[in-house]
Amino acid sequence: GIQVEQSPPDLILQEGANSTLRCNFSDSVNNLQWFHQNPWGQLINLFYIPSGTKQNGRLSATTVATERYSSLYISSSQTTDSGVYFCAVEGNAGNMLTFGGGTRLMVKP
Amino acid sequence: DVKVTQSSRYLVKRTGEKVFLECVQDMDHENMFWYRQDPGLGLRLIYFSYDVKMKEKGDIPEGYSVSREKKERFSLILESASTNQTSMYLCASRGAGGNTGELFFGEGSRLTVL
Repeated sequence: GIQVEQSPPDLILQEGANSTLRCNFSDSVNNLQWFHQNPWGQLINLFYIPSGTKQNGRLSATTVATERYSSLYISSSQTTDSGVYFCAVEGNAGNMLTFGGGTRLMVKP
Repeated sequence: DVKVTQSSRYLVKRTGEKVFLECVQDMDHENMFWYRQDPGLGLRLIYFSYDVKMKEKGDIPEGYSVSREKKERFSLILESASTNQTSMYLCASRGAGGNTGELFFGEGSRLTVL
């Protein structure tokens, strides 16, 4: 099956800093999503982005399908951005998402 | 807004008990999923369903069963709970259309088996 790797696994930022999270995948994809898991465990949808670039406030995401990666960019980080960020992809042959291992982000005040 | 609702946020059960985890979605989605999440192991798919009364095994179906009697409801059943089933359980749903469509999650159910 498709392999998904996220980097870095852990990240500590000072409030106000910017960061880029990376998601690499091993095959062509039809679907790619970014999620934020909050401290209570709920997975919140950030982006549905199988290709191209999207922006939502301080967050933006870019997927370059031909190079098999996606990036999530967080600008002016806030303590509420803390949590785990997951990338999930779906290959051409499947009908379910495969999740990466996540990036655990801590934003310090 | 899509809403996926899980019946219990926290449960504590004893070994050997039968456990039902319920999930309801309000967007008429065809596909529904049950995952478990454990530290260091990420999210793993237990079962999914693409239609009423239809189910498919995921990566770790052993010790679990599911029921989809109505389109909006997908239940996960632990016939005889064991301590190694202590975990966070996450339900998700999305629409049809092959392998496209955005996946939405419920709030999660944290199960402890004593």
